[in-house]
Amino acid sequence: DAGVIQSPRHEVTEMGQEVTLRCKPISGHNSLFWYRQTMMRGLELLIYFNNNVPIDDSGMPEDRFSAKMPNASFSTLKIQPSEPRDSAVYFCASSFTRGNTIYFGEGSWLTVV
Amino acid sequence: TQLLEQSPQFLSIQEGENLTVYCNSSSVFSSLQWYRQEPGEGPVLLVTVVTGGEVKKLKRLTFQFGDARKDSSLHITAAQPGDTGLYLCAGAITGNQFYFGTGTSLTVIP
Repeated sequence: DAGVIQSPRHEVTEMGQEVTLRCKPISGHNSLFWYRQTMMRGLELLIYFNNNVPIDDSGMPEDRFSAKMPNASFSTLKIQPSEPRDSAVYFCASSFTRGNTIYFGEGSWLTVV
Repeated sequence: TQLLEQSPQFLSIQEGENLTVYCNSSSVFSSLQWYRQEPGEGPVLLVTVVTGGEVKKLKRLTFQFGDARKDSSLHITAAQPGDTGLYLCAGAITGNQFYFGTGTSLTVIP
């Protein structure tokens, strides 16, 4: 299996621009997670989908952040407008609902200048 | 406020030494996991513990879940440079929604 695939791997954008991060989970997994990792705050859970439905989005920092999962094989995390404090590594991860092994992608490194 | 606190935050030791990393919380977890993350990559699962008091071994790594399922420890015997990385604990209160600890950055010097 190809694992969790994220794109882009790296993005540098200017403050105020829209950023869209993409994720393809492992085929057959029905839980999908978006995490954000920074030195200051560590790895934070932003949102959790189960069977394409958002279950818990309490970790989404503010209205500038939105996530969608239109089908079982694709999810997006959008930041609009982006701010320098959004600079971080954003990880997508997937698992089976009843499994407890979460597989992470390689992350999207976002820098907002 | 972090749900899980890890200590120490940074650790630098010589090859061959032993070390213990701690993961503490005031919450009770249904299961707890340990991950290792290398630079430029996502975390990779090492072990899952689900029963209070459970001990699991993975070669030179020993993982223990506290009796009350609020804390855990990771002990590495005779550390090697290949053990270098960021060690993360993660706890699930229900289901498979895991919350991650603050992390311990380990450097093993040859």
